[in-house]
Amino acid sequence: ILNVEQSPQSLHVQEGDSTNFTCSFPSSNFYALHWYRWETAKSPEALFVMTLNGDEKKKGRISATLNTKEGYSYLYIKGSQPEDSATYLCASTRGNTPLVFGKGTRLSVIA
Amino acid sequence: NAGVTQTPKFQVLKTGQSMTLQCAQDMNHNSMYWYRQDPGMGLRLIYYSASEGTTDKGEVPNGYNVSRLNKREFSLRLESAAPSQTSVYFCASSEAGGPYYGYTFGSGTRLTVV
Repeated sequence: ILNVEQSPQSLHVQEGDSTNFTCSFPSSNFYALHWYRWETAKSPEALFVMTLNGDEKKKGRISATLNTKEGYSYLYIKGSQPEDSATYLCASTRGNTPLVFGKGTRLSVIA
Repeated sequence: NAGVTQTPKFQVLKTGQSMTLQCAQDMNHNSMYWYRQDPGMGLRLIYYSASEGTTDKGEVPNGYNVSRLNKREFSLRLESAAPSQTSVYFCASSEAGGPYYGYTFGSGTRLTVV
């Protein structure tokens, strides 16, 4: 079974701080890496789908990078705001199979 | 609003009872999935349907059955509920079954088995 690891498990930052967290996945037979944002009492929402080594994606203050050779992706949030508080999930797959999700990083932004 | 609709949102069952969780999407997506979310665990795949007419087991299929009724609907059935099936269940869909399409999730069904 594909193993997707996320760290840290949780994170508390002050409003205005920039932060980042990590997703690790097996580099062999890599196909794609997804990031999702999951707010409390809502459902996960797709942020990025990344496929190529060196890929960088950006959406507002949130960006992500991908290193498929070493098997990791970073998610960055610049100038964190309270509304960024959520659990951030990453997921990967080895082929034409469903996504395997990590356990998530829970971010709390303190005003 | 377009998206994935799950019913019911909440359910309490007694051990041994059966029930069906309903899921429907209106985005003309080909692939649909059922995941469960437990404390301290990631989303774990129960069953999926890559396209209408096909279903396959995921990581944790025991105790569940599924039906892909048509392209829109994918139901999950618990034949004899057990306390270990207490969880939050999420249905999701994607344009195709490949790795390059983001998933759209429903709002979840919180199931408690007593």
